[in-house]
Amino acid sequence: LAKTTQPISMDSYEGQEVNITCSHNNIATNDYITWYQQFPSQGPRFIIQGYKTKVTNEVASLFIPADRKSSTLSLPRVSLSDTAVYYCLVALNQAGTALIFGKGTTLSVSS
Amino acid sequence: DVKVTQSSRYLVKRTGEKVFLECVQDMDHENMFWYRQDPGLGLRLIYFSYDVKMKEKGDIPEGYSVSREKKERFSLILESASTNQTSMYLCASVGRGRVWEQFFGPGTRLTVL
Repeated sequence: LAKTTQPISMDSYEGQEVNITCSHNNIATNDYITWYQQFPSQGPRFIIQGYKTKVTNEVASLFIPADRKSSTLSLPRVSLSDTAVYYCLVALNQAGTALIFGKGTTLSVSS
Repeated sequence: DVKVTQSSRYLVKRTGEKVFLECVQDMDHENMFWYRQDPGLGLRLIYFSYDVKMKEKGDIPEGYSVSREKKERFSLILESASTNQTSMYLCASVGRGRVWEQFFGPGTRLTVL
């Protein structure tokens, strides 16, 4: 199963762009790259998914290089409410039935 | 708006008690999951169900059982609660074939004394 490595924590200020990079050196051909966001005392929330190149939605952008060994979640102009844990996921469990969450990146946004 | 609700946000139980955690989703999803989340360990899958009355063990099923009598409802049962089951319990659901985009409930923080 592909493992992911992402920074444990990041700090930013309101209005800045934040980029969180995740490395996944042994991602499988049929695995997608998915990011979830979790606020304190809430369940995780799906924010974006991609397979290759770039994906953008109303929340974030996801950049994936051609070799797919890493990916970068980009949050444009963060606000205090973006303070959360961000998880990068690239694999399901052995049965292909459930997500595997790592420890995530804790993003703290200050004013 | 899609919704997954859990019966309690906070629960305190005593060792040996039988504990029921209930999850309800309103999206007509086939698949439902129970995870627990602990600091430093991330989310770990306890059980999941892909249809009414169907269940499969996840990665850490010991000490737990589940029930799915109706499509929208998935219950997690701690037969005899122990202190090492103190945790945040998260329910999720997803439509068939879309396992990557799960919808989570708010979680139940269970403390076993």
